[in-house]
Amino acid sequence: DAGVTQSPTHLIKTRGQHVTLRCSPISGHKSVSWYQQVLGQGPQFIFQYYEKEERGRGNFPDRFSARQFPNYSSELNVNALLLGDSALYLCASSLTGTGMNTEAFFGQGTRLTVV
Amino acid sequence: GEDVEQSLFLSVREGDSSVINCTYTDSSSTYLYWYKQEPGAGLQLLTYIFSNMDMKQDQRLTVLLNKKDKHLSLRIADTQTGDSAIYFCAEKNSNYQLIWGAGTKLIIKP
Repeated sequence: DAGVTQSPTHLIKTRGQHVTLRCSPISGHKSVSWYQQVLGQGPQFIFQYYEKEERGRGNFPDRFSARQFPNYSSELNVNALLLGDSALYLCASSLTGTGMNTEAFFGQGTRLTVV
Repeated sequence: GEDVEQSLFLSVREGDSSVINCTYTDSSSTYLYWYKQEPGAGLQLLTYIFSNMDMKQDQRLTVLLNKKDKHLSLRIADTQTGDSAIYFCAEKNSNYQLIWGAGTKLIIKP
């Protein structure tokens, strides 16, 4: 059974560009959460989606947006990239997004470098 | 605001016990977690504890929670070289969001 898959694994973008990151949750999971992990720090919560609705949003600017599709996969979009957006972007999936196992399953992440 | 703090490094000898500490500020935390992150690998959930518990043991791992002091610790018995990693403490707040510490790098000396 496939785990949480993210694509691409690595990405290099130029300041001002736009980027789309993708996440496929574990089969049967309906909730996806996105995190940003800057080098040397812990992950920071960006979004949580459940049943295609945004359930939670972290303290990130409006340049960050996301959506969840009918098959529960998700995209994270970042517009007008800044150097400070360089980070590892992690996706986590869970059945419902609540309870103890909300973030039990993480993807390998997408390493975004903005130059 | 909510905050989770950990020391950045811990160095132990192989075979000794490792104790990684964490403090948090949100008294409404429901669950507290420990994750392991190895170089080039994703985050691995090691264990969690519900906020009304004070201890949980799982093989070599023991989690202690002092809710009054908002202090969480992870003890790894018989530390092995394969335990070298960064360990993150995280709390789940009332909005179901995880608030993470900066991670403790565990260094194993032979």
